[in-house]
Amino acid sequence: NAGVTQTPKFQVLKTGQSMTLQCAQDMNHNSMYWYRQDPGMGLRLIYYSASEGTTDKGEVPNGYNVSRLNKREFSLRLESAAPSQTSVYFCASSERGTQPQHFGDGTRLSIL
Amino acid sequence: AQSVTQPDIHITVSEGASLELRCNYSYGATPYLFWYVQSPGQGLQLLLKYFSGDTLVQGIKGFEAEFKRSQSSFNLRKPSVHWSDAAEYFCAVGVPNTGNQFYFGTGTSLTVIP
Repeated sequence: NAGVTQTPKFQVLKTGQSMTLQCAQDMNHNSMYWYRQDPGMGLRLIYYSASEGTTDKGEVPNGYNVSRLNKREFSLRLESAAPSQTSVYFCASSERGTQPQHFGDGTRLSIL
Repeated sequence: AQSVTQPDIHITVSEGASLELRCNYSYGATPYLFWYVQSPGQGLQLLLKYFSGDTLVQGIKGFEAEFKRSQSSFNLRKPSVHWSDAAEYFCAVGVPNTGNQFYFGTGTSLTVIP
């Protein structure tokens, strides 16, 4: 019963480095989401994918790119990390759009 | 623009006492409404949701919420709180038939005193 799996769980980067956060779900869900969570700000949507091959920007997409590799996987890439991107990142999925149902445990990312 | 307000940043209740967490939204029509719970170091878990129909919705773990259109509110309640309910609670609003118009409140942290 894996649900939504995120890797890595923790990461420290230097400003300007790049990295990809991985997310996979085993529930055959169509929709997948990437959120960031910052203290006092709740969760904010970065990107959303309604189905394989489609992606849409959310509330805070700047500085990020995504790939919906297949139905299972949805990756988030930081091309040139900035300290403002220090956050906890959550991937989520749902059977179809409208709202995220299942969340991963998050990736805690620090950018120095 | 749509918004969600959770007026209480932090609430402390005694175990066995009743609980009500407040949520107000701003949206022109009736949105989809949700409550999530987040335990420390974990992702969010969906507690309950409202799309339409009966304004009192039941969720998991003994929680319920009531949609009040006149007050633009969707407050979460539990008759008797257990120590394991200590967590962060998030209200959320979704615009019907979209995937990327979904907004979380800033959360309410619940502490339960034995």
